[in-house]
Amino acid sequence: SQKIEQNSEALNIQEGKTATLTCNYTNYSPAYLQWYRQDPGRGPVFLLLIRENEKEKRKERLKVTFDTTLKQSLFHITASQPADSATYLCALDFILTGGGNKLTFGTGTQLKVEL
Amino acid sequence: DGGITQSPKYLFRKEGQNVTLSCEQNLNHDAMYWYRQDPGQGLRLIYYSQIVNDFQKGDIAEGYSVSREKKESFPLTVTSAQKNPTAFYLCASRSFGGEQFFGPGTRLTVL
Repeated sequence: SQKIEQNSEALNIQEGKTATLTCNYTNYSPAYLQWYRQDPGRGPVFLLLIRENEKEKRKERLKVTFDTTLKQSLFHITASQPADSATYLCALDFILTGGGNKLTFGTGTQLKVEL
Repeated sequence: DGGITQSPKYLFRKEGQNVTLSCEQNLNHDAMYWYRQDPGQGLRLIYYSQIVNDFQKGDIAEGYSVSREKKESFPLTVTSAQKNPTAFYLCASRSFGGEQFFGPGTRLTVL
């Protein structure tokens, strides 16, 4: 069966440390993979997109890796701050046969950065 | 300001009623999507549309209906056939291969 798994437990880390979130999937072959941030009661906000032929992508304090052999993506936040506390969603991105894209989301990992 | 708007923010429905959730975008995106989110769960796709006057069922379309008469608009109707409609509903749009933009969401509660 097809599955997307993110860290099932909430992740608590200390301010200044690097947070590493995991996204593993089975029986999928996505063209891209995306990461989103979601705050309580709000819509998700796009963070990064990585293509299947890219190994790593960076944006400011964020870094994402994509290993299509392991079927895994790692999402890193360096020098974490309390403002980074949120739920982070991994999404597999598929190109549809007739054109266009479709995202399939994981359940998310709740990150809490403590002082 | 470019973006996606959803209305209303909160919606209460009596059992047996149909309700329509509004979604409008001014980003000139061809594709639009509706998701449902339940507490502690990820987003599940209800319907999507890649082009005006065309739409496809997602993973949980039963009890829902949509229309796409204009590029900017993609309303979702939650019908009385939807057995458990209480949830947070999110609308999104994107251009091909690009990032997906989400609206602020509508929280629907059945009384």
